[in-house]
Amino acid sequence: GQQVMQIPQYQHVQEGEDFTTYCNSSTTLSNIQWYKQRPGGHPVFLIQLVKSGEVKKQKRLTFQFGEAKKNSSLHITATQTTDVGTYFCAGPGGATNKLIFGTGTLLAVQP
Amino acid sequence: DVKVTQSSRYLVKRTGEKVFLECVQDMDHENMFWYRQDPGLGLRLIYFSYDVKMKEKGDIPEGYSVSREKKERFSLILESASTNQTSMYLCASSNGGLSNQPQHFGDGTRLSIL
Repeated sequence: GQQVMQIPQYQHVQEGEDFTTYCNSSTTLSNIQWYKQRPGGHPVFLIQLVKSGEVKKQKRLTFQFGEAKKNSSLHITATQTTDVGTYFCAGPGGATNKLIFGTGTLLAVQP
Repeated sequence: DVKVTQSSRYLVKRTGEKVFLECVQDMDHENMFWYRQDPGLGLRLIYFSYDVKMKEKGDIPEGYSVSREKKERFSLILESASTNQTSMYLCASSNGGLSNQPQHFGDGTRLSIL
């Protein structure tokens, strides 16, 4: 069945360094969503991308949807300790076209 | 703001027990979902519902059932709890399309089966 993979699984950075997580789907996606889950918290919706090659920014976060709509990335510029958490991508798939979540990337930021 | 409330934050049950996890949302959302979250596996969909009394199997429905008698409430039932069902359970809701609208999550229930 359809898979949504994320790399890396874990990244440890010094505060101020940049961070990127990548999301790859085995099939073309009509849209992709990104969520953030703080330690001990629940996933919170960040953004949705729909168009091929789309780039969206939220302050220090830059989200990109690939030209083929099979991959996406989230880039954080100059990380802060508040960026700590697990970042998930999610895209539609399966027989009922439900949302399939990636395995997530855990970001640790050292002050 | 959307509020999704799960009945328990932590729950400890014994093998073989019937376990009920409750979820309530206050935004009149059509869709509700139950996921389990395990380290390294991300969020896996157990069941979802797109209307009252309607339910669909997700990716890992075995050992679970659900009930949606009212629009705001979606219950997950572990028919006979087993230790491999120890996990974090997350409920979510959304409106409109099943996969093109943001999902709003509850705080989760950390369930331990002894």
